[in-house]
Amino acid sequence: AQSVTQLDSHVSVSEGTPVLLRCNYSSSYSPSLFWYVQHPNKGLQLLLKYTSAATLVKGINGFEAEFKKSETSFHLTKPSAHMSDAAEYFCVVSEPGANNLFFGTGTRLTVIP
Amino acid sequence: DVKVTQSSRYLVKRTGEKVFLECVQDMDHENMFWYRQDPGLGLRLIYFSYDVKMKEKGDIPEGYSVSREKKERFSLILESASTNQTSMYLCASTPRSKSYSGANVLTFGAGSRLTVL
Repeated sequence: AQSVTQLDSHVSVSEGTPVLLRCNYSSSYSPSLFWYVQHPNKGLQLLLKYTSAATLVKGINGFEAEFKKSETSFHLTKPSAHMSDAAEYFCVVSEPGANNLFFGTGTRLTVIP
Repeated sequence: DVKVTQSSRYLVKRTGEKVFLECVQDMDHENMFWYRQDPGLGLRLIYFSYDVKMKEKGDIPEGYSVSREKKERFSLILESASTNQTSMYLCASTPRSKSYSGANVLTFGAGSRLTVL
């Protein structure tokens, strides 16, 4: 069975400091993993996707995530937060051949000026 | 550049009313999904469809039904709206997943915020 746990419901960082949003997954197979971002009053947008290629995945807007099988983690990072990064972030898992995806409960990122 | 369009951004309905939420995609995707989004609960899958006239229950199908008469259109129906169905509803689509390649990227609509009084 697939599932995903986002360890923090809310993260607050100062502008210019690093961002770390944590995600752990559970999957019986080699999963596909995604991070989506939702800005206020907007639909969800893909940040990045892992599908068993390189374990370090680079996404849009300077975000990246590292797949660590031994830790069943897929944490999202960014070296320096920008005000425009304030949004809700969702970690998502899917198994090979699946048409369905499973969402975490989301992490709201606040960036303090 | 609009790809997934949800017909209503905001709706206010009364308890017991029938509610239709429409979603149209112009990418010729096979799979379409309806999610509801609630604070602290993330996105929960209501129904998905992998082909015309085909549907599968998601995690929370109770109180909802769906219709997929054409490939591009996927409708969510609340037969008798209740206050606990007040929520944000998100439609999404993907191409059909090839074996062993994992799911494709979801393209989302902007969402429909439903309030049931």
